[in-house]
Amino acid sequence: GDSVTQMEGPVTLSEEAFLTINCTYTATGYPSLFWYVQYPGEGLQLLLKATKADDKGSNKGFEATYRKETTSFHLEKGSVQVSDSAVYFCALEYSGGYQKVTFGTGTKLQVIP
Amino acid sequence: EPEVTQTPSHQVTQMGQEVILRCVPISNHLYFYWYRQILGQKVEFLVSFYNNEISEKSEIFDDQFSVERPDGSNFTLKIRSTKLEDSAMYFCASMLGYEQYFGPGTRLTVT
Repeated sequence: GDSVTQMEGPVTLSEEAFLTINCTYTATGYPSLFWYVQYPGEGLQLLLKATKADDKGSNKGFEATYRKETTSFHLEKGSVQVSDSAVYFCALEYSGGYQKVTFGTGTKLQVIP
Repeated sequence: EPEVTQTPSHQVTQMGQEVILRCVPISNHLYFYWYRQILGQKVEFLVSFYNNEISEKSEIFDDQFSVERPDGSNFTLKIRSTKLEDSAMYFCASMLGYEQYFGPGTRLTVT
């Protein structure tokens, strides 16, 4: 079946450091890929998405590129802020119909001043 | 901006009791979902619902669980006889096209 694997957390960075959170996937077809963010005490928010190979999703300084050859969708940000502290989930979904979202285990990011 | 809402935000119940978690999806959406997240673990799919019937359910969604869209606006998840292991955050989601919109979640604590 389909699955998403994320790097283990927690990740602790100093403010303005470069962030990479690795994500790889296993899929039988050609899914769309997503990053969701969960701030402390809040629900899931869509951070960015890419719907086909080589697409780059971006939002709030975060970027991720859909790499079909390496089945990866790594999340990056050039300069993190304390307000980026949250749990980040990589996920996949097949477009069309009523397809479910398959999530990774989540990576907790803590940014210290 | 339209959003999915869920009530209550936190529910505490005793083992063996029935609970109903409520969701109000975005009004023109057609597909509805429940997911759960046990503390510290990943978000897991429970069930999808379309055209007033279940489209898909996971192995977690056993006979103790049921879903309903009673009045065209609410979407509910019922757990008939709660167990300790049902303690989790439950997320509702709705979708029109291909992007699912998630609610803020209901934290269910079974004691």
